[in-house]
Amino acid sequence: GDSVTQMEGPVTLSEEAFLTINCTYTATGYPSLFWYVQYPGEGLQLLLKATKADDKGSNKGFEATYRKETTSFHLEKGSVQVSDSAVYFCALSKGGGSNYKLTFGKGTLLTVNP
Amino acid sequence: DAGVTQSPTHLIKTRGQQVTLRCSPKSGHDTVSWYQQALGQGPQFIFQYYEEEERQRGNFPDRFSGHQFPNYSSELNVNALLLGDSALYLCASEGLGAAGSYNEQFFGPGTRLTVL
Repeated sequence: GDSVTQMEGPVTLSEEAFLTINCTYTATGYPSLFWYVQYPGEGLQLLLKATKADDKGSNKGFEATYRKETTSFHLEKGSVQVSDSAVYFCALSKGGGSNYKLTFGKGTLLTVNP
Repeated sequence: DAGVTQSPTHLIKTRGQQVTLRCSPKSGHDTVSWYQQALGQGPQFIFQYYEEEERQRGNFPDRFSGHQFPNYSSELNVNALLLGDSALYLCASEGLGAAGSYNEQFFGPGTRLTVL
């Protein structure tokens, strides 16, 4: 079945450091790929997405490129802030219209120190 | 716009009991999905409701059931609770966007269920 594998956490960085969180997936067909963020005590928020190969999703300084040849969707940010501390989830979905479900990775906890 | 709301926020039950969790979707959304997030894990899909019917189901036993009402709100019911049912239960809603397609699920803050 479909699955998502994320790099093990936790990840601890200093403010203004470069961030990479690796994500690879296994799926048949052409899934859409997502990064969600979960701040403490809150629900998941969509950070960015890409729906086809070579698409780049970006938001709030975060970027990820859909690489079909390596089945990857790594999350990057050039300069992290303390406010970026959260749990990040990589996810995929398949199916058309609203008839799809999200398959998530286990999440990566990011802590950014001042 | 209140977004997706869930109630209650926290709940404590004992093994064997039954529980009902509630979700109100974001305004204009007609599809509701439920996910279970165990501690330290990613959310796992339970099922999805559209037009008051269960349209998709994940790998969860029949103890997990649901309902969607005409106003699109939804309930998740879990019978014969087990210790392993302790988790954060997330509701997500979606609807037709400006481009006329479904393309994003919006999540509520979740209900934290503890089974003792």
